Amino acid sequence: EVQLVESGGGLVQPGRSLRLSCAASGFTFDDYAMHWVRQAPGKGLEWVSGISWNSGSIGYADSVKGRFTISRDNAKNSLYLQMNSLRAEDMALYYCAKDMEVVVITYAFDIWGQGTMVTVSS
Amino acid sequence: QSALTQPPSASGSPGQSVTISCTGTSSDVGGYNYVSWYQQHPGKAPKLMIYEVSKRPSGVPDRFSGSKSGNTASLTVSGLQAEDEADYYCSSYAGSNNVFGTGTKVTVL
Repeated sequence: EVQLVESGGGLVQPGRSLRLSCAASGFTFDDYAMHWVRQAPGKGLEWVSGISWNSGSIGYADSVKGRFTISRDNAKNSLYLQMNSLRAEDMALYYCAKDMEVVVITYAFDIWGQGTMVTVSS
Repeated sequence: QSALTQPPSASGSPGQSVTISCTGTSSDVGGYNYVSWYQQHPGKAPKLMIYEVSKRPSGVPDRFSGSKSGNTASLTVSGLQAEDEADYYCSSYAGSNNVFGTGTKVTVL
């Protein structure tokens, strides 16, 4: 079964850091680009960051550029999001999502995890 | 990176059709054929319904169709069913990043 399982969310104070993880199974992880998408409570979807299959191409939303870092470990079938200098507006459910096509980045997300909640509050 | 514009709501009776628009710019929707559509039921993760403007993933009913004209993409749901009631989001590649639409709540009357 194709599956993505996020972890690492929790309550964190403004200005602090948090690292999210996403464990992939059921598909050849190193064939696909991967992404993080977030959704604030009661709000819409926001693409956060994406990384190509070989980490050669990385992109960030302007809202997180310079604060968040995406990475992957293909040997461990895992995706990560290092979040620094967290702000109240970063509070959201963070989803890990798989790109649809092999190697090519299409920004079509065909497999999603269930998300991990990040709460930023003092 | 402004969000793509969608109508907040749309509705139709069972069996009818509903069309949702998604308006962007020449830097996103109008510039690339990487427009996707997602369905999200309350408390659930989004589900890919359409990719590359008009392609349907395996398992998505052919009642769902997508198109694009200029800077505006559209999703049409034909033969509305009760289970189609959900939030729908468009998404577009925007040159090294991606942008989602504001979302549309579809109600089946």
